[in-house]
Amino acid sequence: DQQVKQNSPSLSVQEGRISILNCDYTNSMFDYFLWYKKYPAEGPTFLISISSIKDKNEDGRFTVFLNKSAKHLSLHIVPSQPGDSAVYFCAASGVYNFNKFYFGSGTKLNVKP
Amino acid sequence: DTEVTQTPKHLVMGMTNKKSLKCEQHMGHRAMYWYKQKAKKPPELMFVYSYEKLSINESVPSRFSPECPNSSLLNLHLHALQPEDSALYLCASRLTGPQGEQYFGPGTRLTVT
Repeated sequence: DQQVKQNSPSLSVQEGRISILNCDYTNSMFDYFLWYKKYPAEGPTFLISISSIKDKNEDGRFTVFLNKSAKHLSLHIVPSQPGDSAVYFCAASGVYNFNKFYFGSGTKLNVKP
Repeated sequence: DTEVTQTPKHLVMGMTNKKSLKCEQHMGHRAMYWYKQKAKKPPELMFVYSYEKLSINESVPSRFSPECPNSSLLNLHLHALQPEDSALYLCASRLTGPQGEQYFGPGTRLTVT
C-alpha cells in the first residue's frame, strides 16, 4: 500500500510560468516531508523540505506548501526554467522511524523554452 | 565535502558471479542506505544502517548482502543474482535524527546477464 502518492506522472509547463507539483500521503504519523529532483542516470538531489509544524517553506524559486488536514503537499517552482526539467519525487518520514523514507512515484516535469 | 561516491558506475555480471558495490561518504553521517531503482519507478528501500548497525532490512533476498565496515563505508555484496535484479543501485546517507535530508550517490547501473 503506497503511503505517499503523486498522481500526476507528468507535467508540461512553459518557461517563465509556475510549475505546481502535488503529493498526497495517507499516514498521519508522517511529520517531515521532502522534495527531490532527479535527472536520468543520476541520484536524486535534495530540493527543499518542510516539517509538520510549518505550512510553508521557501528557498529561492522553490516553495513547498503543507496542508496537514488534507494530507497534501505541493511544490511550486516560479519561474520555471528549462533546466528544471527532471523527475520530482516527494518523500515523507514519520515520528516512529525517522530514518525510513517513503517515496512517491514521481512526476516528470518538462519546461518548454 | 558533501558528496556520496559510488563505485563502479556500471557493472555487468553473470548469474553465477560474485561482485560488490561500494559507497563512501565523509560527511559524518551515521545513517546509510541502499536503494534499488527501476526505470520510471521511485527508489525502493533495501537496507538502512544506523551507527554501523543494520536497522532496516526490507525483506531483501539473501543474494544481496550489505556490510558497513565503518562509519564512512557501505558495501553491497551480490551473489547469484537474477536478470530482474538489473537496476540502478543508489546509496544515500544522512545525519540520523528526526529531520535532515538524504544525500544520494550517482548510483551503480547493474546489468545481470
